[in-house]
Amino acid sequence: TQLLEQSPQFLSIQEGENLTVYCNSSSVFSSLQWYRQEPGEGPVLLVTVVTGGEVKKLKRLTFQFGDARKDSSLHITAAQPGDTGLYLCAGAGDNYGQNFVFGPGTRLSVLP
Amino acid sequence: GAVVSQHPSRVICKSGTSVKIECRSLDFQATTMFWYRQFPKQSLMLMATSNEGSKATYEQGVEKDKFLINHASLTLSTLTVTSAHPEDSSFYICSAASITGYSPLHFGNGTRLTVT
Repeated sequence: TQLLEQSPQFLSIQEGENLTVYCNSSSVFSSLQWYRQEPGEGPVLLVTVVTGGEVKKLKRLTFQFGDARKDSSLHITAAQPGDTGLYLCAGAGDNYGQNFVFGPGTRLSVLP
Repeated sequence: GAVVSQHPSRVICKSGTSVKIECRSLDFQATTMFWYRQFPKQSLMLMATSNEGSKATYEQGVEKDKFLINHASLTLSTLTVTSAHPEDSSFYICSAASITGYSPLHFGNGTRLTVT
């Protein structure tokens, strides 16, 4: 069974600070996605990483896929209150949308 | 971008009644859709995988006779909570992935079910 761990599980920071969220597994994934979910809504896809070592940037968010495709990180620069939410990583065991595994999530709160 | 529509967004029903939740992929075909349950402040818990034209695959501990899933077309899957009880109250979310490679999941906006 593939399992994903996320750390930290809870994070409360002040506006303007930087933070990094980690997603780790002992399993290899064909791709890994990061989602953000706000209360009462479904998760929204932020990024998909596929290649080991890949780095993607989305404005103030930087995503990295580990060389061995077992782990990933999400770094947010100069966090804003609008970044508040539940961040979920999800690993895909194959190429066709099957066998997605979700991490437990990181709940981020950015205080103004 | 890919859009998944989930309906209704909120439903309140009486104990013992059944509730149907629809999940539609609006601009892509999804041979597989997934149904999740989410408890407050927790991650998503996969309930079942819905396969178009065949029986759904349920996760361990999920009663298939309680949570009926129908995936009759490449764009529609339904989850019916039968004989609902207050403990079934939860946030239910569906997702779908297109059949192309490296496809991420696209989620519906969820359904808040309250059983009184």
